[in-house]
Amino acid sequence: DAKTTQPTSMDCAEGRAANLPCNHSTISGNEYVYWYRQIHSQGPQYIIHGLKNNETNEMASLIITEDRKSSTLILPHATLRDTAVYYCIVRPRNSGYALNFGKGTSLLVTP
Amino acid sequence: DTGVSQNPRHKITKRGQNVTFRCDPISEHNRLYWYRQTLGQGPEFLTYFQNEAQLEKSRLLSDRFSAERPKGSFSTLEIQRTEQGDSAMYLCASSLLENRGIYEQYFGPGTRLTVT
Repeated sequence: DAKTTQPTSMDCAEGRAANLPCNHSTISGNEYVYWYRQIHSQGPQYIIHGLKNNETNEMASLIITEDRKSSTLILPHATLRDTAVYYCIVRPRNSGYALNFGKGTSLLVTP
Repeated sequence: DTGVSQNPRHKITKRGQNVTFRCDPISEHNRLYWYRQTLGQGPEFLTYFQNEAQLEKSRLLSDRFSAERPKGSFSTLEIQRTEQGDSAMYLCASSLLENRGIYEQYFGPGTRLTVT
């Protein structure tokens, strides 16, 4: 799986958009970008994934650059409950098993 | 609640003792995964099952660790002769393998092990 690089930590004011970047410059053509998050003392939670088109669901939007070497997860209106560690993972869609989490970005949403 | 459940949620044991954790996946999911997470790190893959077959083991899974999924439903992870370095959160996840591809993994709340 391709390596990803994320900032260690970020802050965001409640109600504002949180934009979490991820670099994956070695991504290959069959690899998807996945995002998970982990709220303190809970298991990781799937957020969204995409290949090359931008994706949106009820939780977030995923913007992938045209060259696919980086992406941004957007939480449009961050709440205090969005405080968590966010993991960007690159892997083939059908690779099946291990998720390589890395250290992720610790997002703190402040009042 | 139809999510992934894990028991116990917390376990404190003395060094040298054996411990066993249980994971109940989402009922229709045929893949089950175990991960370990230490403080400040992301989860690290240990092993996974497709139905009752254990298909992959990480090098992190030493000989003191054994996992089973005897009927393709719940799974157990046993650690023999625990060491202080085994102190971690043990996470279980499940997913559904279909012809269209493998879907996202859904995680349980984890079992926090403390070895004293």
